[in-house]
Amino acid sequence: AQSVTQLGSHVSVSEGALVLLRCNYSSSVPPYLFWYVQYPNQGLQLLLKYTSAATLVKGINGFEAEFKKSETSFHLTKPSAHMSDAAEYFCAVSDLGGGADGLTFGKGTHLIIQP
Amino acid sequence: NAGVTQTPKFRILKIGQSMTLQCTQDMNHNYMYWYRQDPGMGLKLIYYSVGAGITDKGEVPNGYNVSRSTTEDFPLRLELAAPSQTSVYFCASSSPGGGGTDTQYFGPGTRLTVL
Repeated sequence: AQSVTQLGSHVSVSEGALVLLRCNYSSSVPPYLFWYVQYPNQGLQLLLKYTSAATLVKGINGFEAEFKKSETSFHLTKPSAHMSDAAEYFCAVSDLGGGADGLTFGKGTHLIIQP
Repeated sequence: NAGVTQTPKFRILKIGQSMTLQCTQDMNHNYMYWYRQDPGMGLKLIYYSVGAGITDKGEVPNGYNVSRSTTEDFPLRLELAAPSQTSVYFCASSSPGGGGTDTQYFGPGTRLTVL
């Protein structure tokens, strides 16, 4: 069974500072990995996804994530935080061989941007 | 192109009442999903469908039913509402290729309270 662990339910950074949101996964097969963002009272929007083409994945809004198989990690980063980045961020995993049976989500990390 | 739409946005039910959460997508996606989101718990898969007439249980299906008579629609039915079903419900769909590689597009959610 696959699982996702997001370290830190809340992360606070200053505007302009580096954003680092941590995600570790467990999967019995090579995984597909995703980061989604959820703004208040809205649905989830895809930030980026890893599908084995490249270990460093660039997404929207200046975010990127690096897949590290040896560390079973897929941490999300952004060099300079903006106030508009304040939101809930979810890491998710899909079994490569799992067909269409949905995503397994982490519990989420609430990103707070301090002015 | 409206994407994934859900109705209603909000609903309050009494214990034992029933209701149907509606979900429609206009992207010609074969795969559709229902998730529930509880505070601090991420999203959990309730049911999914790989095409019209085909549905399957996810991680937390008890107390729910689904049907898929058309490609566009994937309603979720609560027969006997219980307080434990108080949650935010998200519908999602993914592209015809399906599998774990394709982006899931989410609706705006339905916030349900059972009293």
